[in-house]
Amino acid sequence: DTAVSQTPKYLVTQMGNDKSIKCEQNLGHDTMYWYKQDSKKFLKIMFSYNNKELIINETVPNRFSPKSPDKAHLNLHINSLELGDSAVYFCASSQVLDRDRGLLETQYFGPGTRLLVL
Amino acid sequence: RKEVEQDPGPFNVPEGATVAFNCTYSNSASQSFFWYRQDCRKEPKLLMSVYSSGNEDGRFTAQLNRASQYISLLIRDSKLSDSATYLCVVNMGANKLIFGAGTRLAVHP
Repeated sequence: DTAVSQTPKYLVTQMGNDKSIKCEQNLGHDTMYWYKQDSKKFLKIMFSYNNKELIINETVPNRFSPKSPDKAHLNLHINSLELGDSAVYFCASSQVLDRDRGLLETQYFGPGTRLLVL
Repeated sequence: RKEVEQDPGPFNVPEGATVAFNCTYSNSASQSFFWYRQDCRKEPKLLMSVYSSGNEDGRFTAQLNRASQYISLLIRDSKLSDSATYLCVVNMGANKLIFGAGTRLAVHP
């Protein structure tokens, strides 16, 4: 009964390939996120979806395209993979308690997908 | 100036010690604040939320100083199992959480 799950857990691929990472949450949350954690362990937000609608799109190359078929799923597709894309990608979900005050329920993270581009 | 700044450490302390981590943030309009813990090769997990002036949970105490835009985490009676990276997290509004780079803690026997 994992709350936030991601697949695959590990992904090793060649430069130039296209790959997808899938994320699912069974918490009933409205908001889902993708984060990237690089080799320096810095965790940075990439995208956020609320009820299938994109609400945060940070400065991310357009090779990265998130897709949310429903509010329980948020997938990440990456085209033309580059060496610098190697990182751990975390999916997360949360519920907004008070949108005006920006109060969020706890963000729950998935176990991460370790991507290595060779 | 970075949006959220933390001392990267590492803090090497003996079991039983008291250790404090500091964090500063740049956006004075930030509403909510959190401390997350991340173990090696694991996902971040919420340790404490800090909504008002601070709160305490067992050996852990979080303090917020809005005037100075400063958050702290105090760990008393450190355990070996407290060894991890502690992430300061600030809600910048519009569901956007900004994570600090983390402070590493190593508790030794």
